[in-house]
Amino acid sequence: DAGITQSPRHKVTETGTPVTLRCHQTENHRYMYWYRQDPGHGLRLIHYSYGVKDTDKGEVSDGYSVSRSKTEDFLLTLESATSSQTSVYFCAISENSPYGYTFGSGTRLTVV
Amino acid sequence: GENVEQHPSTLSVQEGDSAVIKCTYSDSASNYFPWYKQELGKGPQLIIDIRSNVGEKKDQRIAVTLNKTAKHFSLHITETQPEDSAVYFCAATTSYGQNFVFGPGTRLSVLP
Repeated sequence: DAGITQSPRHKVTETGTPVTLRCHQTENHRYMYWYRQDPGHGLRLIHYSYGVKDTDKGEVSDGYSVSRSKTEDFLLTLESATSSQTSVYFCAISENSPYGYTFGSGTRLTVV
Repeated sequence: GENVEQHPSTLSVQEGDSAVIKCTYSDSASNYFPWYKQELGKGPQLIIDIRSNVGEKKDQRIAVTLNKTAKHFSLHITETQPEDSAVYFCAATTSYGQNFVFGPGTRLSVLP
Protein backbone atom coordinates (compact mmCIF):
# COMPACT_ATOMS: atom_id res chain seq x y z
CA ASP A 1 0.00 0.00 0.00
CA ALA A 2 1.32 3.37 -0.99
CA GLY A 3 2.83 5.31 1.89
CA ILE A 4 2.83 2.57 4.50
CA THR A 5 5.18 -0.39 4.82
CA GLN A 6 5.17 -3.23 7.33
CA SER A 7 8.14 -5.43 8.07
CA PRO A 8 8.67 -8.29 8.14
CA ARG A 9 5.84 -9.67 6.02
CA HIS A 10 6.16 -13.13 7.56
CA LYS A 11 7.81 -14.34 10.73
CA VAL A 12 7.98 -17.59 12.63
CA THR A 13 9.26 -17.40 16.17
CA GLU A 14 9.46 -19.58 19.24
CA THR A 15 7.41 -19.23 22.39
CA GLY A 16 9.07 -16.96 24.91
CA THR A 17 11.19 -14.98 22.47
CA PRO A 18 10.81 -11.23 21.95
CA VAL A 19 9.50 -10.02 18.61
CA THR A 20 9.32 -6.53 17.12
CA LEU A 21 7.18 -5.58 14.16
CA ARG A 22 7.76 -2.34 12.31
CA CYS A 23 5.37 0.04 10.61
CA HIS A 24 6.85 2.81 8.47
CA GLN A 25 4.88 5.60 6.81
CA THR A 26 5.86 8.29 4.33
CA GLU A 27 2.60 10.27 4.60
CA ASN A 28 3.50 12.26 7.72
CA HIS A 29 0.16 11.27 9.27
CA ARG A 30 -0.38 11.97 12.94
CA TYR A 31 -2.21 8.79 13.93
CA MET A 32 -0.86 5.27 13.73
CA TYR A 33 -2.52 2.04 14.87
CA TRP A 34 -1.72 -1.61 15.38
CA TYR A 35 -4.47 -4.19 14.86
CA ARG A 36 -4.53 -7.94 14.96
CA GLN A 37 -6.81 -9.98 12.73
CA ASP A 38 -8.09 -13.39 13.74
CA PRO A 39 -10.83 -15.52 12.16
CA GLY A 40 -14.25 -14.62 13.53
CA HIS A 41 -13.00 -11.52 15.35
CA GLY A 42 -12.45 -9.04 12.58
CA LEU A 43 -9.78 -6.48 13.44
CA ARG A 44 -9.05 -5.64 17.06
CA LEU A 45 -7.05 -2.63 18.18
CA ILE A 46 -3.87 -3.37 20.13
CA HIS A 47 -2.32 0.07 20.60
CA TYR A 48 -2.41 3.39 18.86
CA SER A 49 -0.37 6.58 18.70
CA TYR A 50 -1.54 10.17 18.34
CA GLY A 51 1.91 11.69 18.04
CA VAL A 52 5.59 11.13 18.72
CA LYS A 53 5.93 9.43 22.10
CA ASP A 54 2.15 9.63 22.60
CA THR A 55 0.57 6.20 22.71
CA ASP A 56 -2.41 4.52 24.31
CA LYS A 57 -3.85 1.06 24.79
CA GLY A 58 -6.51 -0.55 22.69
CA GLU A 59 -8.91 -3.41 23.26
CA VAL A 60 -6.32 -6.23 23.31
CA SER A 61 -3.11 -4.64 24.60
CA ASP A 62 -2.03 -7.29 27.14
CA GLY A 63 1.34 -8.78 26.18
CA TYR A 64 2.16 -5.99 23.73
CA SER A 65 4.07 -2.73 23.96
CA VAL A 66 4.65 0.01 21.41
CA SER A 67 7.01 2.88 20.75
CA ARG A 68 6.98 5.85 18.45
CA SER A 69 10.19 7.87 18.53
CA LYS A 70 9.68 9.36 15.06
CA THR A 71 6.57 10.40 13.17
CA GLU A 72 7.19 7.81 10.48
CA ASP A 73 7.83 4.71 12.61
CA PHE A 74 5.57 2.80 14.98
CA LEU A 75 6.98 -0.35 16.54
CA LEU A 76 4.99 -3.18 18.08
CA THR A 77 6.86 -5.46 20.51
CA LEU A 78 5.82 -8.80 21.92
CA GLU A 79 8.04 -9.05 24.99
CA SER A 80 7.65 -12.82 25.31
CA ALA A 81 5.70 -14.33 22.45
CA THR A 82 2.95 -16.86 23.17
CA SER A 83 1.00 -19.14 20.84
CA SER A 84 -2.12 -17.00 21.38
CA GLN A 85 -0.29 -14.16 19.64
CA THR A 86 -0.16 -16.09 16.39
CA SER A 87 -2.09 -13.77 14.12
CA VAL A 88 -1.94 -11.35 11.21
CA TYR A 89 -0.93 -7.89 12.36
CA PHE A 90 -1.94 -4.76 10.50
CA CYS A 91 -0.70 -1.24 10.87
CA ALA A 92 -2.93 1.67 9.88
CA ILE A 93 -2.40 5.40 9.55
CA SER A 94 -4.74 8.37 9.57
CA GLU A 95 -4.28 12.11 9.37
CA ASN A 96 -7.67 12.88 10.87
CA SER A 97 -8.82 10.09 13.14
CA PRO A 98 -11.04 8.15 12.68
CA TYR A 99 -11.47 9.08 9.05
CA GLY A 100 -9.55 7.75 6.11
CA TYR A 101 -7.66 4.86 7.64
CA THR A 102 -5.00 3.41 5.32
CA PHE A 103 -3.85 -0.08 6.19
CA GLY A 104 -0.55 -1.75 5.47
CA SER A 105 -0.25 -5.16 3.85
CA GLY A 106 0.11 -6.98 7.15
CA THR A 107 2.61 -9.19 8.97
CA ARG A 108 1.79 -12.85 9.43
CA LEU A 109 3.29 -13.95 12.75
CA THR A 110 3.42 -17.58 13.82
CA VAL A 111 4.52 -18.47 17.34
CA VAL A 112 5.52 -22.14 17.70
CA GLY B 1 -18.18 -0.36 24.88
CA GLU B 2 -19.24 -0.66 21.28
CA ASN B 3 -20.22 -4.05 19.83
CA VAL B 4 -20.70 -4.58 16.10
CA GLU B 5 -22.44 -7.60 14.63
CA GLN B 6 -22.32 -8.43 10.92
CA HIS B 7 -24.43 -10.76 8.80
CA PRO B 8 -24.13 -12.94 6.87
CA SER B 9 -20.67 -14.35 7.51
CA THR B 10 -20.55 -15.74 3.96
CA LEU B 11 -22.49 -14.72 0.89
CA SER B 12 -22.48 -16.15 -2.61
CA VAL B 13 -24.18 -14.37 -5.50
CA GLN B 14 -24.29 -14.77 -9.25
CA GLU B 15 -22.45 -12.20 -11.32
CA GLY B 16 -24.78 -9.30 -12.04
CA ASP B 17 -26.94 -9.85 -8.97
CA SER B 18 -27.03 -7.57 -5.94
CA ALA B 19 -25.41 -8.25 -2.57
CA VAL B 20 -26.44 -6.85 0.79
CA ILE B 21 -24.46 -7.03 4.03
CA LYS B 22 -25.98 -5.84 7.29
CA CYS B 23 -24.40 -4.60 10.50
CA THR B 24 -25.83 -3.65 13.86
CA TYR B 25 -24.10 -1.63 16.57
CA SER B 26 -24.76 -1.10 20.24
CA ASP B 27 -23.40 2.33 21.18
CA SER B 28 -25.87 5.10 20.38
CA ALA B 29 -22.97 7.60 20.52
CA SER B 30 -21.39 6.10 17.40
CA ASN B 31 -21.74 8.44 14.45
CA TYR B 32 -19.25 7.25 11.82
CA PHE B 33 -19.71 3.99 9.91
CA PRO B 34 -17.06 2.96 7.36
CA TRP B 35 -16.91 -0.14 5.18
CA TYR B 36 -13.68 -1.86 4.23
CA LYS B 37 -12.89 -4.40 1.53
CA GLN B 38 -10.07 -6.87 2.05
CA GLU B 39 -8.68 -8.90 -0.83
CA LEU B 40 -6.62 -12.00 -0.23
CA GLY B 41 -3.18 -11.21 1.14
CA LYS B 42 -3.83 -7.48 1.41
CA GLY B 43 -4.83 -5.01 4.07
CA PRO B 44 -8.38 -3.67 4.33
CA GLN B 45 -9.23 -0.78 2.03
CA LEU B 46 -11.87 1.86 2.75
CA ILE B 47 -14.57 1.69 0.08
CA ILE B 48 -17.36 3.89 1.45
CA ASP B 49 -18.41 5.52 4.69
CA ILE B 50 -21.38 7.31 6.15
CA ARG B 51 -21.88 9.76 8.97
CA SER B 52 -24.89 9.91 11.21
CA ASN B 53 -26.35 13.05 9.67
CA VAL B 54 -26.94 11.18 6.40
CA GLY B 55 -29.31 8.28 5.76
CA GLU B 56 -27.84 7.01 2.51
CA LYS B 57 -24.71 7.45 0.42
CA LYS B 58 -23.90 6.10 -3.03
CA ASP B 59 -20.72 5.69 -5.01
CA GLN B 60 -21.30 4.08 -8.40
CA ARG B 61 -22.32 0.45 -7.70
CA ILE B 62 -21.89 0.73 -3.94
CA ALA B 63 -24.32 2.27 -1.47
CA VAL B 64 -24.61 2.38 2.29
CA THR B 65 -27.78 3.01 4.28
CA LEU B 66 -28.03 3.96 7.94
CA ASN B 67 -30.92 3.63 10.37
CA LYS B 68 -29.82 5.32 13.59
CA THR B 69 -33.06 4.58 15.38
CA ALA B 70 -32.64 0.85 14.86
CA LYS B 71 -28.84 1.07 15.11
CA HIS B 72 -28.13 -0.75 11.91
CA PHE B 73 -26.45 0.02 8.61
CA SER B 74 -26.08 -1.92 5.39
CA LEU B 75 -23.79 -2.18 2.38
CA HIS B 76 -25.43 -2.67 -1.00
CA ILE B 77 -23.46 -3.73 -4.06
CA THR B 78 -25.34 -3.77 -7.36
CA GLU B 79 -24.38 -5.48 -10.62
CA THR B 80 -21.76 -7.57 -8.84
CA GLN B 81 -18.59 -8.54 -10.69
CA PRO B 82 -16.00 -11.24 -9.96
CA GLU B 83 -13.58 -8.57 -8.70
CA ASP B 84 -16.06 -7.75 -5.93
CA SER B 85 -15.17 -11.11 -4.34
CA ALA B 86 -13.45 -10.28 -1.05
CA VAL B 87 -14.04 -10.02 2.68
CA TYR B 88 -16.02 -6.94 3.71
CA PHE B 89 -15.84 -5.38 7.16
CA CYS B 90 -18.15 -2.81 8.68
CA ALA B 91 -17.10 -0.62 11.59
CA ALA B 92 -18.61 1.89 13.99
CA THR B 93 -17.09 4.65 16.04
CA THR B 94 -17.60 8.13 17.38
CA SER B 95 -16.12 11.04 15.48
CA TYR B 96 -13.34 11.17 18.07
CA GLY B 97 -12.27 7.62 17.20
CA GLN B 98 -13.14 6.21 20.55
CA ASN B 99 -14.30 2.63 20.51
CA PHE B 100 -13.54 2.10 16.82
CA VAL B 101 -14.89 -1.42 16.49
CA PHE B 102 -14.95 -3.67 13.44
CA GLY B 103 -17.51 -6.33 12.64
CA PRO B 104 -16.29 -9.93 12.15
CA GLY B 105 -16.46 -9.72 8.35
CA THR B 106 -18.46 -11.15 5.44
CA ARG B 107 -16.83 -13.26 2.77
CA LEU B 108 -18.50 -12.39 -0.54
CA SER B 109 -18.10 -14.70 -3.51
CA VAL B 110 -19.34 -13.59 -6.91
CA LEU B 111 -19.86 -16.59 -9.14
CA PRO B 112 -19.36 -16.16 -12.90
